[in-house]
Amino acid sequence: EAGVAQSPRYKIIEKRQSVAFWCNPISGHATLYWYQQILGQGPKLLIQFQNNGVVDDSQLPKDRFSAERLKGVDSTLKIQPAKLEDSAVYLCASSLDRGHKQFFGPGTRLTVL
Amino acid sequence: QQQVKQSPQSLIVQKGGISIINCAYENTAFDYFPWYQQFPGKGPALLIAIRPDVSEKKEGRFTISFNKSAKQFSLHIMDSQPGDSATYFCAASMADYKLSFGAGTTVTVRA
Repeated sequence: EAGVAQSPRYKIIEKRQSVAFWCNPISGHATLYWYQQILGQGPKLLIQFQNNGVVDDSQLPKDRFSAERLKGVDSTLKIQPAKLEDSAVYLCASSLDRGHKQFFGPGTRLTVL
Repeated sequence: QQQVKQSPQSLIVQKGGISIINCAYENTAFDYFPWYQQFPGKGPALLIAIRPDVSEKKEGRFTISFNKSAKQFSLHIMDSQPGDSATYFCAASMADYKLSFGAGTTVTVRA
């Protein structure tokens, strides 16, 4: 079974630039999550989708972060403009449905200079 | 505000020894307590999980001990192997299924 795919794996940008991350969840998984993992910390949930609808985005900094999940499959997370404190690994996870086991992708490591 | 506090930050154990990681929580509405294992460059992977209606759960060399009254739970890795060297995260969630993670413990198993 193919796992959660993410790209790119690494990204380096200057502050105030824009960046986008892509996630392809496991086929058939209705629920998709984006997490931010700052070095030395546990993952923090940014946004949760159920199919193509947002279930929870309470911890998403909406002034600079946006996410979408078109057609209930792939998802993109965008940061515009980036700040130094956005340097982190951005993890995508998916689950069959809410409350089911979450499968994580390898993450995208973002460095903002 | 960190809802799940994890300790220690790191530990070193000899091959064959026991690794113990502790977590504490405040929110009594939490009803699901998973542990995740993360290797460098990889995403976290679910290792084992427990619900508060049981005090212990064992899967192979990994055991969760749960103390509801103390609001604490711990992961024991028995007969630790070099392949167990990784970062371990405890987490907790409520009925909304939103996971709150601890800060992580880096385990190093020396051969």
